[in-house]
Amino acid sequence: GAGVSQSPSNKVTEKGKDVELRCDPISGHTALYWYRQRLGQGLEFLIYFQGNSAPDKSGLPSDRFSAERTGESVSTLTIQRTQQEDSAVYLCASSLGTGVWETQYFGPGTRLLVL
Amino acid sequence: QKEVEQDPGPLSVPEGAIVSLNCTYSNSAFQYFMWYRQYSRKGPELLMYTYSSGNKEDGRFTAQVDKSSKYISLFIRDSQPSDSATYLCAMSVRGFQKLVFGTGTRLLVSP
Repeated sequence: GAGVSQSPSNKVTEKGKDVELRCDPISGHTALYWYRQRLGQGLEFLIYFQGNSAPDKSGLPSDRFSAERTGESVSTLTIQRTQQEDSAVYLCASSLGTGVWETQYFGPGTRLLVL
Repeated sequence: QKEVEQDPGPLSVPEGAIVSLNCTYSNSAFQYFMWYRQYSRKGPELLMYTYSSGNKEDGRFTAQVDKSSKYISLFIRDSQPSDSATYLCAMSVRGFQKLVFGTGTRLLVSP
């Protein structure tokens, strides 16, 4: 079946603008994660959603970052007033649940460049 | 100091070589250890995972965890050009939730 999809693939924006990144998880997956991958660094956890529970936002780096998820479907990560240090690949992953051995399946990422 | 340290490479080897990839970590609470492979412009894909210490083998891949030394390894036998990718270690206190990743090691296998 279809994997995790993300859009846009690439986004170039000017400093100070807002951007929205979209993630479509695998159908039936109740858990959804967002990560950030800066050049030369590992993936940083940002936020995860599990069903109708309150999301775990502990990884969001500042209040300029926010994310929403409608039910168990699409999620949007919004970055307000973008800064150059926000330039990174933003990866979304989904899993059937958040059980101990529920594997996360990653999308291809959105490459964000803030000029 | 980062929680997880990994040499970024690149590591260049000839086809057929045995490859050793490693990570060290500082958080003794980590109990779950994973290795992901990431091809250029793709998302990471899970290769192997282990719980606590010990070895796990899957085909040409062997994952090894030494909790006493806070050191994990991934060995690739009979390496192939198709193994050329970035290998990321990841670990957590509880399963696949809130994984902490290394920076990744770029591996190049030449024919």
